[in-house]
Amino acid sequence: DAGITQSPRYKITETGRQVTLMCHQTWSHSYMFWYRQDLGHGLRLIYYSAAADITDKGEVPDGYVVSRSKTENFPLTLESATRSQTSVYFCASSGTSGGYGYTFGSGTRLTVV
Amino acid sequence: DAKTTQPTSMDCAEGRAANLPCNHSTISGNEYVYWYRQIHSQGPQYIIHGLKNNETNEMASLIITEDRKSSTLILPHATLRDTAVYYCIVRVANQNTGNQFYFGTGTSLTVIP
Repeated sequence: DAGITQSPRYKITETGRQVTLMCHQTWSHSYMFWYRQDLGHGLRLIYYSAAADITDKGEVPDGYVVSRSKTENFPLTLESATRSQTSVYFCASSGTSGGYGYTFGSGTRLTVV
Repeated sequence: DAKTTQPTSMDCAEGRAANLPCNHSTISGNEYVYWYRQIHSQGPQYIIHGLKNNETNEMASLIITEDRKSSTLILPHATLRDTAVYYCIVRVANQNTGNQFYFGTGTSLTVIP
């Protein structure tokens, strides 16, 4: 199906574990983004990517790693999860011009215990 | 950080127009104003955007002041399903990485029966 999908929908992990959140889009959009959402902070940009193999940091990149070997995928990895990374994570994509903004996925709710 | 200021919360009676203000006094000449909304637990959804002229689509109208320092999103006949957090965003254009959006905490709109 066309669209942007995130997996898993829910994840519980332990402190210190590595965890990867997946994001897949079917439109061949050039731009992809990762946001986290916490109460009182709204949405904050973690990393973004302009194309395959091009990524850059957003507002809150510490503790996260991204890669983009294929245009359609933009995984986000927490190399050593901490409790402060408990959050809802949203992936988004947009076309070259971004004229209609972003399309967001449904989110991944991550709990680090 | 987001370059916009919005009220934290607003109420609106069902069937009445909801007018959501946004201040963006430091907006640059080539920056667009975008509006998104986020219904509980879902990813944000694009509503409308504009540069200097007023815009209207099937969801809402966007009124931008002549000096572009503020704007108002108008939902002409609010329904209970319009209860959501509404984000006003000024688009930061980056030649290398496309259009990044920085979300603030938005306005929580509650439509009252």
